[in-house]
Amino acid sequence: DGGITQSPKYLFRKEGQNVTLSCEQNLNHDAMYWYRQDPGQGLRLIYYSQIVNDFQKGDIAEGYSVSREKKESFPLTVTSAQKNPTAFYLCASSIDLREEADTQYFGPGTRLTVL
Amino acid sequence: DAKTTQPTSMDCAEGRAANLPCNHSTISGNEYVYWYRQIHSQGPQYIIHGLKNNETNEMASLIITEDRKSSTLILPHATLRDTAVYYCIVRVRDGPSGTYKYIFGTGTRLKVLA
Repeated sequence: DGGITQSPKYLFRKEGQNVTLSCEQNLNHDAMYWYRQDPGQGLRLIYYSQIVNDFQKGDIAEGYSVSREKKESFPLTVTSAQKNPTAFYLCASSIDLREEADTQYFGPGTRLTVL
Repeated sequence: DAKTTQPTSMDCAEGRAANLPCNHSTISGNEYVYWYRQIHSQGPQYIIHGLKNNETNEMASLIITEDRKSSTLILPHATLRDTAVYYCIVRVRDGPSGTYKYIFGTGTRLKVLA
């Protein structure tokens, strides 16, 4: 069954701790993305990766870091430098973000709460 | 900033067609319009996309005006399970990098009434 998995669904951390969110896809997609969603708002792009070992900052990258060592995996670390980390985090993937029509498919999301 | 404008909320009677409008007056010639929906606390689900021609799939129809400045998503027979937030998105070129990205707005909250 192909798709995108994110784990865990809910995550709680103490203020000042780094936390890593997992994202795995078995769709054989080259591109992967991380978005953040705050209550009542649309999604905002944090980081994206076009291919393995390459990634670019999105619109709100400060306080976050990523790696792309494998095609299937794109973990996101929320660092202590992120001032308001409590949010719903969504991972997505697509075939090729250089194409004009390239559809992104989303995972189920991880809700991070920093206490 | 979002390139699309949508009504904040709409209601639709179960079994009737739901017509969700979207304005994208600054869209460029090669920028596609995408529609997704998001049920509470889940990831967005892809519905349909188009450039200039009307499109139809098993979920919905997309009607794009000739000047491409607006579009309408049509759910032909709305059910209670169609209650969700619907996002109209323009896929824009991301500067000189040769890549494209989605610009999300706040969407339309559709409530299907029994």
